[in-house]
Amino acid sequence: GDSVTQMEGPVTLSEEAFLTINCTYTATGYPSLFWYVQYPGEGLQLLLKATKADDKGSNKGFEATYRKETTSFHLEKGSVQVSDSAVYFCALRPDSGGYQKVTFGTGTKLQVIP
Amino acid sequence: GAVVSQHPSWVICKSGTSVKIECRSLDFQATTMFWYRQFPKQSLMLMATSNEGSKATYEQGVEKDKFLINHASLTLSTLTVTSAHPEDSSFYICSASGGKYEQYFGPGTRLTVT
Repeated sequence: GDSVTQMEGPVTLSEEAFLTINCTYTATGYPSLFWYVQYPGEGLQLLLKATKADDKGSNKGFEATYRKETTSFHLEKGSVQVSDSAVYFCALRPDSGGYQKVTFGTGTKLQVIP
Repeated sequence: GAVVSQHPSWVICKSGTSVKIECRSLDFQATTMFWYRQFPKQSLMLMATSNEGSKATYEQGVEKDKFLINHASLTLSTLTVTSAHPEDSSFYICSASGGKYEQYFGPGTRLTVT
């Protein structure tokens, strides 16, 4: 079945440091790939997405590129801020259309210190 | 746009009682709604998928008689936890999908059963 593997956290960085959170997936075909962010005590918010190979999703300084050859969708940001502290979830949705089940990774907690 | 609300945001109930959680799409019609459960420091687990006017489809291992889901209108779905026990304590998150297959998540409801 489909699966998403994320690097284990927590990840602790100083403000303005470079961020990478690794995500790899297992799925047939060309799933859509997502990054969601969950701030403390809140639900999930869509951060960015990519729907086909080589697409780059970007939002709020975060980027991720859909790499079919390595089945990866790593999240990056050049300079993190304290306000970026949250849990980040990588997710995929199959490509067969319809309201397909989204599979989530286990989440990676990011803590940014001043 | 695409706002999903949940009510209540936090509820405490006694063991053996039932509790109802509402999920509403505020500015779009949600033909499909999803209910997730999130354990502390873990990922989201899909519990069930419901289409408006139809019976919910439950994931394997989820007790449909314990977690009653109703999707009576295009803007409202409810999850009722019946005869709640302390092990049902969790963070419950709903999401809603309109015609573009994107899922929009609610802020979550924290249930504590004493």
